[in-house]
Amino acid sequence: DTGVSQNPRHKITKRGQNVTFRCDPISEHNRLYWYRQTLGQGPEFLTYFQNEAQLEKSRLLSDRFSAERPKGSFSTLEIQRTEQGDSAMYLCASTSGTVINEQYFGPGTRLTVT
Amino acid sequence: AQKVTQAQTEISVVEKEDVTLDCVYETRDTTYYLFWYKQPPSGELVFLIRRNSFDEQNEISGRYSWNFQKSTSSFNFTITASQVVDSAVYFCALSELGGTYKYIFGTGTRLKVLA
Repeated sequence: DTGVSQNPRHKITKRGQNVTFRCDPISEHNRLYWYRQTLGQGPEFLTYFQNEAQLEKSRLLSDRFSAERPKGSFSTLEIQRTEQGDSAMYLCASTSGTVINEQYFGPGTRLTVT
Repeated sequence: AQKVTQAQTEISVVEKEDVTLDCVYETRDTTYYLFWYKQPPSGELVFLIRRNSFDEQNEISGRYSWNFQKSTSSFNFTITASQVVDSAVYFCALSELGGTYKYIFGTGTRLKVLA
């Protein structure tokens, strides 16, 4: 069990560019979450996958954001036409089971939009 | 509406002091789960404890203890004999049954333990 991994760990991009982040959950975890954390705040929920199905999206997830989880394995989060307000830490978490088990978090991808 | 409040933004203590981190939550559900996570400077959230709404027994794990009181909607976390390695941001989170079980986090409490 190698834990949740995220790539890249850091991304600096210019406003207007597109970026894509990857999350590899713990193997056999069927539930996957994306959260966003800004400075001095707690993580905020963005979206949830159960296997390959995206079952919930937060209102925080504007049309510029899209997430996928092909084949129920790794997941990607893409932000199109980045804005300075998108600068944040993007966290991925995974868990398994049908009851509330603790979520295991990855190290996050820190995005800086200049 | 669901909400988690951690009123203490930052706490500083001297090593070996005891410290309590407060967490107050709001929910309309009768069944829910509460969590505490630690976020060290490296940034990765580390799970500490999970508690369901039907289990109000206090829990102790080494130097850590948790006090869950439904009557006051609080789930406080105490570190006994704090150590420098305890320095981190601590988050309390709420999750309700049904749906996606997503977390609602508080804003966190930054704990600084001084040598």
